[in-house]
Amino acid sequence: EPEVTQTPSHQVTQMGQEVILRCVPISNHLYFYWYRQILGQKVEFLVSFYNNEISEKSEIFDDQFSVERPDGSNFTLKIRSTKLEDSAMYFCASSDLLAGLSTDTQYFGPGTRLTVL
Amino acid sequence: DAKTTQPPSMDCAEGRAANLPCNHSTISGNEYVYWYRQIHSQGPQYIIHGLKNNETNEMASLIITEDRKSSTLILPHATLRDTAVYYCIVSLNAGNMLTFGGGTRLMVKP
Repeated sequence: EPEVTQTPSHQVTQMGQEVILRCVPISNHLYFYWYRQILGQKVEFLVSFYNNEISEKSEIFDDQFSVERPDGSNFTLKIRSTKLEDSAMYFCASSDLLAGLSTDTQYFGPGTRLTVL
Repeated sequence: DAKTTQPPSMDCAEGRAANLPCNHSTISGNEYVYWYRQIHSQGPQYIIHGLKNNETNEMASLIITEDRKSSTLILPHATLRDTAVYYCIVSLNAGNMLTFGGGTRLMVKP
């Protein structure tokens, strides 16, 4: 069964450093998302991406964050200058608008645990 | 998106049916009800979704009331591996963000 994959599974970085989290969405999916979950808290939406542009973003997704689909398979989240409070699990998800239906299902990857020291 | 209300926790005996309720009294006509679960800190796992008809798949059944103001997720024969946080989410069409609440922490006990 197709699945979303994410690398690395765990990333440790120093405050102020740039990190890039990588995701390979399910191959025929058109919509891509990033969510995050700070330890012990709710899963929070960051950004959605469709047709090579951001379609929606939350207040969390400020100028320190960017997303890119550099090729036909990868979807990346970049944090330019990490802060301690960026420590969290980051989940990538993808979905497809099924022909003839107006709904889709988002499928999540296993996540990347980001630890900022 | 409409807000949902779920009990914070529930217990269920292994092998018995787990019935997880969700209230979504402000749901609009074109919003779907989705159920996901999260085991430990793994990525949320899709379970099932529906608009107004009851739905069943290999994992669960979803019962939506006629007025669509509430729904119930049914795991017909809960196992220890079903211990997880279950999220009820209402969402519009494709590409819309999912808003996760606190969910229901289901503990399946032997």
